[in-house]
Amino acid sequence: GDSVTQMEGPVTLSEEAFLTINCTYTATGYPSLFWYVQYPGEGLQLLLKATKADDKGSNKGFEATYRKETTSFHLEKGSVQVSDSAVYFCALRGGGATNKLIFGTGTLLAVQP
Amino acid sequence: SAVISQKPSRDICQRGTSLTIQCQVDSQVTMMFWYRQQPGQSLTLIATANQGSEATYESGFVIDKFPISRPNLTFSTLTVSNMSPEDSSIYLCSVPGGGPWGTEAFFGQGTRLTVV
Repeated sequence: GDSVTQMEGPVTLSEEAFLTINCTYTATGYPSLFWYVQYPGEGLQLLLKATKADDKGSNKGFEATYRKETTSFHLEKGSVQVSDSAVYFCALRGGGATNKLIFGTGTLLAVQP
Repeated sequence: SAVISQKPSRDICQRGTSLTIQCQVDSQVTMMFWYRQQPGQSLTLIATANQGSEATYESGFVIDKFPISRPNLTFSTLTVSNMSPEDSSIYLCSVPGGGPWGTEAFFGQGTRLTVV
């Protein structure tokens, strides 16, 4: 079945450092890919998404490119801030009628001043 | 976008008891989803709740343990029955974004359940 494999954390960075969180997926057909973020004490929020190969999702300085050839959707940010400290989840929605999301295990990011 | 309110936000319960979690959406939606997030783990789909029909449960989840109600297009409840410490998790309600495939899902803030 469909699955998402995500880089384990925690990831600890200094402010203004470069961030990469790896995400790879297994799916039949052509899934849509998402990054969700969960800030401390808050619910999940969509960070960015990509619906087809070579699409680049971007938001708040974060980017991820849908790479079908490597089945990857790595999250990157050029310069992280303390306010980016959160748990990041990679997710996919496969084709078909179920409309359900499959999540990776989440990566805790801690940014130190 | 959709605004989802979940109640309670947290609870501490005795083993063997049951807890009902409520999910209210500010717009009418056909599908509502219930997820579980166990400590240190990812989100796992429990079931899909469609209005007017029985909920569809994922492998490993059964109706007797997690009965779901869906009385109308804006409301759903999930009950965690006969609780044990292994049920300690965050439970989340979710609805899909409108439009074609690829649109996002919206989540409630979750219910943090601790079973003692």
